[in-house]
Amino acid sequence: NAGVTQTPKFRILKIGQSMTLQCTQDMNHNYMYWYRQDPGMGLKLIYYSVGAGITDKGEVPNGYNVSRSTTEDFPLRLELAAPSQTSVYFCASSYAGVKDYGYTFGSGTRLTVV
Amino acid sequence: AQSVTQLDSQVPVFEEAPVELRCNYSSSVSVYLFWYVQYPNQGLQLLLKYLSGSTLVKGINGFEAEFNKSQTSFHLRKPSVHISDTAEYFCAVSQSGDNDYKLSFGAGTTVTVRA
Repeated sequence: NAGVTQTPKFRILKIGQSMTLQCTQDMNHNYMYWYRQDPGMGLKLIYYSVGAGITDKGEVPNGYNVSRSTTEDFPLRLELAAPSQTSVYFCASSYAGVKDYGYTFGSGTRLTVV
Repeated sequence: AQSVTQLDSQVPVFEEAPVELRCNYSSSVSVYLFWYVQYPNQGLQLLLKYLSGSTLVKGINGFEAEFNKSQTSFHLRKPSVHISDTAEYFCAVSQSGDNDYKLSFGAGTTVTVRA
């Protein structure tokens, strides 16, 4: 049982490049989330999905895109990387609400934009 | 919308001493409250949660937290810390009821336990 798997673990991008952060879960969870973590700022919600084909914006969606074509996968796309997107990105999933099921987090992707 | 304020960004503490991490929340609706821990280079793990009922909740690794509705607080405590408790701790809140699937996190408190 792998839980939530994020790839890559580390990446350095040049300004203007694009990339996709991968997130896969094998727990048949309906809900998936992308957060970014910046020092002293905690975690901010970028996008979330309540099921395949359904996505919605969180607090800080600008500069990112997502898709949810399957229950298992929830990739995060950066189209034109900017230094402000240097951060640690966490993917999380839950079966339903946090009350009963909580979140399962991946181990994170550390992204540096130079 | 809900928000969380963690009042201490860093808390140094000696081994076997008690520790308290302070968390205040703001919300116009009923909420659920959580504490998560993040060990170095790892994702977040749930320590404990308050949903309803008894205001004192116990979690893993000897941690407990007390919900105070009048003060809108949810402070985390441990009577005696270990070196292994060195980590970052996040308070989080979600709306209660059918929309309880989104968590809002505080900025985090870094706990450093020294021998």
